[in-house]
Amino acid sequence: GIQVEQSPPDLILQEGANSTLRCNFSDSVNNLQWFHQNPWGQLINLFYIPSGTKQNGRLSATTVATERYSLLYISSSQTTDSGVYFCAVDTGRRALTFGSGTRLQVQP
Amino acid sequence: DVKVTQSSRYLVKRTGEKVFLECVQDMDHENMFWYRQDPGLGLRLIYFSYDVKMKEKGDIPEGYSVSREKKERFSLILESASTNQTSMYLCASSSLTGAGGPRETQYFGPGTRLLVL
Repeated sequence: GIQVEQSPPDLILQEGANSTLRCNFSDSVNNLQWFHQNPWGQLINLFYIPSGTKQNGRLSATTVATERYSLLYISSSQTTDSGVYFCAVDTGRRALTFGSGTRLQVQP
Repeated sequence: DVKVTQSSRYLVKRTGEKVFLECVQDMDHENMFWYRQDPGLGLRLIYFSYDVKMKEKGDIPEGYSVSREKKERFSLILESASTNQTSMYLCASSSLTGAGGPRETQYFGPGTRLLVL
């Protein structure tokens, strides 16, 4: 099956810093999503981005499908950005395959 | 807003018990999913359903079964709970047509933390 690798596994930032999270995948995909899991376990969809670039406030994402990677940018980080960020892909079976996540801690 | 609810946030069961986890979504989504999440392993797909009474095995279906008798409800069943099924269970739903957001975007419930003793 498809492999999804996320880096870095852990990241500690000071409030106000910027960061880039990376997701590499091993096969062509028709669906790629980024999620944020808050400290209470709730998963929130951030972006549906099989290709191209999208922005939502301080967050933006870029997927280069031909090179099989996606990037999530967080600018001016806040403590509320803490949690685990997951990349997930679908190769056509409608269900997602998740990476193991990047755990982000933003310190005040 | 799409709402996905799960019957329990926390559950403690004994080895050998039959366990039912319920998930309900209110956006008329065709697709529903059950995942489990374990530290260091991310989310892994157990089963999914793309229509009433239809089901597909995911990556780790062993020890689980599912039921979808109504479009809005998807149940996960542990026939005989074992300690290695202690985990966080997450339900999700999505739409083929884009109801509530971009098509195929998955919306998750709050999760059920199951402890099997």
